[in-house]
Amino acid sequence: EVQLLESGGGLVQPGGSLRLSCAASGFTFSSYAMSWVRQAPGKGLEWVSGISGSAGSTYYADSAKGRFTISRDNFKNTLHLQMNSLRAEDTALYYCVKVADSSGYWGYHFDNWGQGTLVTVSS
Amino acid sequence: EIVLTQSPGTLSLSPGERATLSCRAGQNVSGKNLAWYQQKPGQAPRLLIYGASSRATGIPDRFSGSGSGTDFTLTISRLEPEDFAVYYCQQYGSSLAPFGGGTKVEIK
Repeated sequence: EVQLLESGGGLVQPGGSLRLSCAASGFTFSSYAMSWVRQAPGKGLEWVSGISGSAGSTYYADSAKGRFTISRDNFKNTLHLQMNSLRAEDTALYYCVKVADSSGYWGYHFDNWGQGTLVTVSS
Repeated sequence: EIVLTQSPGTLSLSPGERATLSCRAGQNVSGKNLAWYQQKPGQAPRLLIYGASSRATGIPDRFSGSGSGTDFTLTISRLEPEDFAVYYCQQYGSSLAPFGGGTKVEIK
């Protein structure tokens, strides 16, 4: 059974940093691209970032470009999102998401979601 | 960047009725790379449809997807009580993977 367990959320001041992690199990982690998707309170889903299985390619939404960095440790089966220069509008539940295809390529739909970790940016 | 517009924003229907949800892309979605997800309150989203029309594992056949190019549709043939939720479309297959704004299907 695929399991995705996010951690690292919390309260941070505007301009601060936070590092999210996602512990993956139940599948061959390095064979799958992964992604982060966020959801602000009461709002819709927003895709944030993605990374190929080999970590050779990374992708970012405009809202994340230059401030967030996605990475993965295929030995520890862990996905990360380093978030810098945080703003109030980054307040959201951040989901760790598995991409469907075992090629490791990014361009497929999302088939498994974690339960999310909440990030609150406020002074 | 492809912008996905979902309509209507809210759909008020009764159990047993047919639901038709629309997702329109600002530019052509290549290869039918369009997925639909369902989200219930307090839960993570769940994949329903991928490739515009392929049902994900375990999804009942009352859910169907259709469309190509810029216009896509999710149809729920007969609404069950557990189908009242928010539905999102998503484009994938390029460097970006945007979602639509969502359609809430509520009980009338």
